Parts: sequence; structure tokens; C-alpha cells
Amino acid sequence: QVQLVQSGAEVKKPGASVRLSCKAFGYTFGIHWVRQAPGQSLEWMGWISVVTGHTKYSQNFQGRVTFTGDSSANTAYMELSSLRSEDTAVYYCARDPAAPGEFDYWGQGTQVTVSS
Amino acid sequence: QAVVTQEPSLTVSPEGSVTLTCGSSTGGVTSGHYPFWFQQKPGQAPRPLIFDTTDRHSWTPARFSGSLLGDRAALTLSGAQPEDEADYYCSLSYGGARVFGGGTKLTVL
Repeated sequence: QVQLVQSGAEVKKPGASVRLSCKAFGYTFGIHWVRQAPGQSLEWMGWISVVTGHTKYSQNFQGRVTFTGDSSANTAYMELSSLRSEDTAVYYCARDPAAPGEFDYWGQGTQVTVSS
Repeated sequence: QAVVTQEPSLTVSPEGSVTLTCGSSTGGVTSGHYPFWFQQKPGQAPRPLIFDTTDRHSWTPARFSGSLLGDRAALTLSGAQPEDEADYYCSLSYGGARVFGGGTKLTVL
């Protein structure tokens, strides 16, 4: 059984950066990052292969988000910079198994609150 | 960036059937958009239901089915149960970049 465990809630001031982690228990080729602002839809932020380090970013976050991975720890990281109040959201990671049916397992989500 | 559109809300009677659809601002939805469908209940992470247009995950109840309907992707629920009341999101792939729709709030009433 695959499980994704995300880091804990964060409170940040505008202009700061936040770094979240997503540790996979079980095989994972890649990790998608998806966020959900309060009462809003899901928003895809991008993807990283924890095996190869390759990344793909949503145009909406290009230049402000960085994905990194640690293959030995089966962990992906997402750093979002220049935070603003609109970045307040729950941030999820989801698995890419490099097979049909990605997004099959999701982390529990990390609440990020940006407030002065 | 493309915009993915869904019905904002739908209502279905218990044991009834309903079809949710998913459109693309760039034109018709095809299997090449690899449509995915997710269910989300309040306070929970999304739960994947359908991938690659029609494929169910092992945990997806058989009453959910995916298809292409005209120029849209579709999720059909046949025999709705009270526990199916939730938000449903579709997602389309545009050259490997995923875009989610605005979601459909499904009420079972």
C-alpha cells in the first residue's frame, strides 16, 4: 500500500518562502503538486520525477516555485517564494507511478497560511 | 493556459443517474487529453475515480463510468447513493501539463 506523508502546517508572512515535503512509502516515479485555495478548485502546480530529477512547472507558477527530490529518501520538496495572501491554500502531493493511473495516491495535504 | 469547464452544480435523486461533463477552451476533448475524474468530500484529499477517459481504479465503484460525449469528457453515475454527494473535478492534460476544471457540486436529493 502506497502512502504519501506531507509536512506540517505553515504560517508565513507576505514575501517569505515556504518549503514543503512529501515522503513516499512505496514505489513512486514522480510527484505532482496540486493546491486548493479555500472554497476553490484544484490547481496543478507541476511535477517532479524523484528518480530522474526532471521537472515540469505550470505556467502559473513559473519562476516562483522550485521542485527538488531526494531519491534515497523517496521524498519530494516544493518551495514557493514571494508568498502573497492568495497563496493561502492546502497543498497536496500526488503520486506518479510511471504507469497509467497517475494521481492514484495523495498526501494528506499541508495548510499554508500567508498573513501579515 | 487552457480553461477546463464543468457544470457548477447538479442534483440527482437516490438510485438515479446523472452525467457530469468536462470541456476544453481549446476545442473538443479527446482521449489525447487523458481525462481524469476525482471525487472530493469536505475536509478530505481528492480521491481518484477515473483515468485515461474510461479506466476505473480498483477502488472505484462500478456505478461510476467515464466516456467521451460529443466534444466533452463525461462521468456518468448510475444508481446514485447518498455517499456520492461530493465535489467532482475533471482534469485534462495539455502536453503533459495538467489543468483542473472548476468542479461540479453533486447533490443527491
